[in-house]
Amino acid sequence: GDSVTQMEGPVTLSEEAFLTINCTYTATGYPSLFWYVQYPGEGLQLLLKATKADDKGSNKGFEATYRKETTSFHLEKGSVQVSDSAVYFCALSDRFNDMRFGAGTRLTVKP
Amino acid sequence: GAVVSQHPSRVICKSGTSVKIECRSLDFQATTMFWYRQFPKQSLMLMATSNEGSKATYEQGVEKDKFLINHASLTLSTLTVTSAHPEDSSFYICSAMGQGARPNTEAFFGQGTRLTVV
Repeated sequence: GDSVTQMEGPVTLSEEAFLTINCTYTATGYPSLFWYVQYPGEGLQLLLKATKADDKGSNKGFEATYRKETTSFHLEKGSVQVSDSAVYFCALSDRFNDMRFGAGTRLTVKP
Repeated sequence: GAVVSQHPSRVICKSGTSVKIECRSLDFQATTMFWYRQFPKQSLMLMATSNEGSKATYEQGVEKDKFLINHASLTLSTLTVTSAHPEDSSFYICSAMGQGARPNTEAFFGQGTRLTVV
């Protein structure tokens, strides 16, 4: 079935460092792709999404591009802040419209 | 990683009946569980947050009497869709976090339940 493989964490960065969290997927057809963020003690929040190849999702300085040729949707941010510390989940919505999640990557940003 | 089992994975029910969805943490104590719903071609929507032994906290716009959440033990939370109607047809997914799950600040997801009300 459709699945998402996400870079294992945890990831620890200094403030203003560049962030990349890798995500690749396996899917039949053309899934929609998502990045969700979860702050401590809270539920998931949608960070960004892309619905077709070459689409770029962006929000709060985060970006991810839907790459069909490499089946990837890597999350990037040019300069992270302490407030970006959270767990990030890559996900896809498969042909049945069911959501499949990666394992999550915990990011800690130190001042 | 920790394992969360959600059951059933798919269910079809008649309009007016109630459906119960179970979410179990198999190898850790889930002090907090989240219930989400996904509308077609949209992202997940958080429905409610439940802490073991307490009443669930529902998000704005979610009907408490329609979507009953029980989190009576550290390993089980249930979502009951009462008097289901076709517009309740959706994908429901739970996630759990708590003691024993490593790291304990991450949430682990169930497999999801596809509910179809006919």
